[in-house]
Amino acid sequence: QVQLQESGPGLVKPSETLSLTCAVSGYSISSGYYWGWIRQPPGKGLEWIGSIYHSGSTYYNPSLKSRVTISVDTSKNQFSLKLSSVTAADTAVYYCAGLEGATTFDYWGQGTLVTVSS
Amino acid sequence: DIQMTQSPSSLSASVGDRVTITCQASQDISNYLNWYQQKPGKAPKLLIYDASNLETGVPSRFSGSGSGTDFTFTISSLQPEDIATYYCQQYDNLHYTFGQGTKLEIK
Repeated sequence: QVQLQESGPGLVKPSETLSLTCAVSGYSISSGYYWGWIRQPPGKGLEWIGSIYHSGSTYYNPSLKSRVTISVDTSKNQFSLKLSSVTAADTAVYYCAGLEGATTFDYWGQGTLVTVSS
Repeated sequence: DIQMTQSPSSLSASVGDRVTITCQASQDISNYLNWYQQKPGKAPKLLIYDASNLETGVPSRFSGSGSGTDFTFTISSLQPEDIATYYCQQYDNLHYTFGQGTKLEIK
């Protein structure tokens, strides 16, 4: 059973870089699948941030592309998100997810709230 | 980018009612449309994939239909445990967009 767990700071200062990691268990990232990040501002809807294939190919939401970097570490079986120059608008619950066939978000982490505030 | 317009944004219905939610894509997405259920404080859960296929373990009262730009999600007989927010999600060339969500409440 594939399980995902997000980790990282819950509070980030404006203009700094948000960094989160998603640890994957029950499946080897190097075996395949796509892996992604989705966020949800408090009381609002879901927004896809970006995805990465196990080979390292990345795909980003055009609205965030200039600030986002997603990377994968197959040795640790985890993937990471970096979002630079954050503002209060980046305050959200951040979810990591796994996509078996690249079309559906099949596996989800529990989500982690990141607040941008000084 | 493909935009998804989901309606209604909220819906109040009685137990046993038939509930319908629609999602419209800004361009043809074939059948690359999925539906998720999200309960408060929880991650979304996949219910329907490729417009009309029921995910394993999901009750048969949930169904989906449509292709191209217009899609429908239906709960045939609303149950108390179905109270949640529902989202459509499209897939296009490894880019994804979610609808705005429909918050379903019991009348």
